[in-house]
Amino acid sequence: GAGVSQSPRYKVAKRGQDVALRCDPISGHVSLFWYQQALGQGPEFLTYFQNEAQLDKSGLPSDRFFAERPEGSVSTLKIQRTQQEDSAVYLCASSLPRDTGVQGTEAFFGQGTRLTVV
Amino acid sequence: GENVEQHPSTLSVQEGDSAVIKCTYSDSASNYFPWYKQELGKRPQLIIDIRSNVGEKKDQRIAVTLNKTAKHFSLHITETQPEDSAVYFCAASIIAAGNKLTFGGGTRVLVKP
Repeated sequence: GAGVSQSPRYKVAKRGQDVALRCDPISGHVSLFWYQQALGQGPEFLTYFQNEAQLDKSGLPSDRFFAERPEGSVSTLKIQRTQQEDSAVYLCASSLPRDTGVQGTEAFFGQGTRLTVV
Repeated sequence: GENVEQHPSTLSVQEGDSAVIKCTYSDSASNYFPWYKQELGKRPQLIIDIRSNVGEKKDQRIAVTLNKTAKHFSLHITETQPEDSAVYFCAASIIAAGNKLTFGGGTRVLVKP
């Protein structure tokens, strides 16, 4: 695809419900990141993949948050037993095209999934 | 870990005037500093970035300066236009460590016609 695609765009979950957010990165991008953006704030890092390997999950706020990228392309962020404080926009970004001699640094963001927990 | 502070949080300028946003970072190992523009309800989009081996970079009406010693960097927008109205975020990262971005809190820029 032309850019990073995320689905769904909007998700309303009842407290305690499990949710799954999907990210389709730019084809061929090695790196994939998840960020959480609360209203009126800057994005905060959650986790990072290089291909299928999850190299950094230091930003995941609790063990209710889980991310995977099993084949090194599409990624899913899962939140179990959602709570009101999980309400935020979840942004996915990809970078670092394969087969390039230059280490690409620009991160391309998707439009995000706005999660509202009621 | 890295901490990025951004000022001001809001900025109102008259069309045609300049806008300056300043950021400081804490980790001296950071070597990549991008600036993102985010319009309401839309994705953050890169407008300019700078690596630590240069002190200044310019792209038309936008420029970024970096002072590694003082650990601060700034975004300058000249001849502002109404379409420059948005939220701007600075960020810092270490390229070799996976390039995960630590963002500032954002600056809401309003350009008044």
